[in-house]
Amino acid sequence: KNEVEQSPQNLTAQEGEFITINCSYSVGISALHWLQQHPGGGIVSLFMLSSGKKKHGRLIATINIQEKHSSLHITASHPRDSAVYICAVDNNDMRFGAGTRLTVKP
Amino acid sequence: GAVVSQHPSRVICKSGTSVKIECRSLDFQATTMFWYRQFPKKSLMLMATSNEGSKATYEQGVEKDKFLINHASLTLSTLTVTSAHPEDSSFYICSARAHGNTEAFFGQGTRLTVV
Repeated sequence: KNEVEQSPQNLTAQEGEFITINCSYSVGISALHWLQQHPGGGIVSLFMLSSGKKKHGRLIATINIQEKHSSLHITASHPRDSAVYICAVDNNDMRFGAGTRLTVKP
Repeated sequence: GAVVSQHPSRVICKSGTSVKIECRSLDFQATTMFWYRQFPKKSLMLMATSNEGSKATYEQGVEKDKFLINHASLTLSTLTVTSAHPEDSSFYICSARAHGNTEAFFGQGTRLTVV
């Protein structure tokens, strides 16, 4: 079993839909990161969380430390949100989920 | 927030040549830098960890003579892919951490294509 599990692996949505991507982990962590990787490969760091909830524009990230679970939400999704979203947990070593490929159709 | 700049974002090189990728922390001192590689349709995998002024610690299966890592200053680490081969084509990304800080910041990544 991987230490970081993401679901779903692939997700297709219509423009405007509310998106949720989940991340579960099995190790103790100091922080959790959500990363966005565009088709060209470039990585953008979206959030770093150690507790609670963070919001940036249409993106919301939550983490439940007790349950070892985090979610990334995208409200009013748009085709430009199409990318791979990667969850990474930090416990001195970084461990990455396999990523969720999101496609938002117009 | 803290910024890590990775350069170049894309590079194409010929087989047998060497390529250097730079990772700079722009507004903090990065005592530890991490280098990752992403194989097609796979997650990011740690290649090596470097502490400023020390030799890098490589993960099992990563050739240290192939992937030279230098972390000579608190703001710069470099990864040099030596005698590159097409199988070295991949996406490489760095992240940096300040001393005593649990936060890690990511570079934008470098897409290497060896032809």
